[in-house]
Amino acid sequence: DTAVSQTPKYLVTQMGNDKSIKCEQNLGHDTMYWYKQDSKKFLKIMFSYNNKELIINETVPNRFSPKSPDKAHLNLHINSLELGDSAVYFCASSQSQFSYEQYFGPGTRLTVT
Amino acid sequence: AQSVTQPDIHITVSEGASLELRCNYSYGATPYLFWYVQSPGQGLQLLLKYFSGDTLVQGIKGFEAEFKRSQSSFNLRKPSVHWSDAAEYFCAVGPGSSNTGKLIFGQGTTLQVKP
Repeated sequence: DTAVSQTPKYLVTQMGNDKSIKCEQNLGHDTMYWYKQDSKKFLKIMFSYNNKELIINETVPNRFSPKSPDKAHLNLHINSLELGDSAVYFCASSQSQFSYEQYFGPGTRLTVT
Repeated sequence: AQSVTQPDIHITVSEGASLELRCNYSYGATPYLFWYVQSPGQGLQLLLKYFSGDTLVQGIKGFEAEFKRSQSSFNLRKPSVHWSDAAEYFCAVGPGSSNTGKLIFGQGTTLQVKP
């Protein structure tokens, strides 16, 4: 059983399009995260939700909008995609918002052309 | 501001040789420290963690790390490297119990293993 899953694994799209990435965890965790890994493999947190409530909102363009329909799911919608959005996006989860032991999904490689 | 530095961008070792990956952090109090491994095309997997107590921590896959407060370091070690250890290694720091679970990652070290 996959603990943290993401779909799609690869996403190729053109500038200006809108796309979504979905994440699901079956660990029973309360907290979920979105990270962005750039071409230099630098990993930076974008958002975090705890029990469907936004608790971390880093300096991210408002074209990025996370949504958590329930605590097992965290989706990321991106409007008006730009070349600089090309990256690998990782979803992660942890038992609580005070737990730093995070479990990562396999990543979604987004390529904007 | 909290930060994590991994001084070695790329390391190559021979299979069977010992390994040490360096990690230095900047943080005002005692941090929570982590090492994650990312195999090609995969997500990150937690290797080991340090919260408090014994400064030498054991992890999975035969890895260990030592917390040295005086040097602000948390170096990862393995006595004998296997070809399957080739991957990207990330050191991370958690800001502390009063904050949310925000992790700050280093820039990673790519480990290449020669046969």
